[in-house]
Amino acid sequence: DSGVTQTPKHLITATGQRVTLRCSPRSGDLSVYWYQQSLDQGLQFLIHYYNGEERAKGNILERFSAQQFPDLHSELNLSSLELGDSALYFCASSVSGRSLYEQYFGPGTRLTVT
Amino acid sequence: GQQVMQIPQYQHVQEGEDFTTYCNSSTTLSNIQWYKQRPGGHPVFLIQLVKSGEVKKQKRLTFQFGEAKKNSSLHITATQTTDVGTYFCAGLEYNTDKLIFGTGTRLQVFP
Repeated sequence: DSGVTQTPKHLITATGQRVTLRCSPRSGDLSVYWYQQSLDQGLQFLIHYYNGEERAKGNILERFSAQQFPDLHSELNLSSLELGDSALYFCASSVSGRSLYEQYFGPGTRLTVT
Repeated sequence: GQQVMQIPQYQHVQEGEDFTTYCNSSTTLSNIQWYKQRPGGHPVFLIQLVKSGEVKKQKRLTFQFGEAKKNSSLHITATQTTDVGTYFCAGLEYNTDKLIFGTGTRLQVFP
């Protein structure tokens, strides 16, 4: 158990819909990272937040957005969902605002768009 | 943008055989991290290499960072069935502070 929690574990929704994925970092970690992992694919970096502020953006679609709240939990919002958005979404947390340190991954949310 | 490729994509070995995965970046890296993802699981941090030419060992695992800081390798000696999973390298870009994950190598070990 990494100490990072993600909800829900599974999510099935239809095309065109909007969903919110939630992540709570390890106690004491200020950074939250979001990744997308499609079937048999690597990890695509989406976005990084540190202490409530956006630090870095990766290949995140305009239909996707994220935020980190004062209690440091983070939410990833996916809208106008398409079939290709079906994937495993991981969040990870780290103690530092810089990516120099190891990241602790949550169990992931599996999103299925039908 | 920066790309981090890993080879091979898949490797099947007999238990007891050695295994190596190679990680190559299109640009110079600040550091490199290695993660292991078991089937159905999440990535778990293994190690971080920072210095040019650095070599680190963890029991049967040996990690190396190239002199030019553009490539890395992970070597497992005498594989065991518990080594099954996908091994990812992740390179830290200079200036952007983005950690770019490699394409991964899936290891299957047959008893």
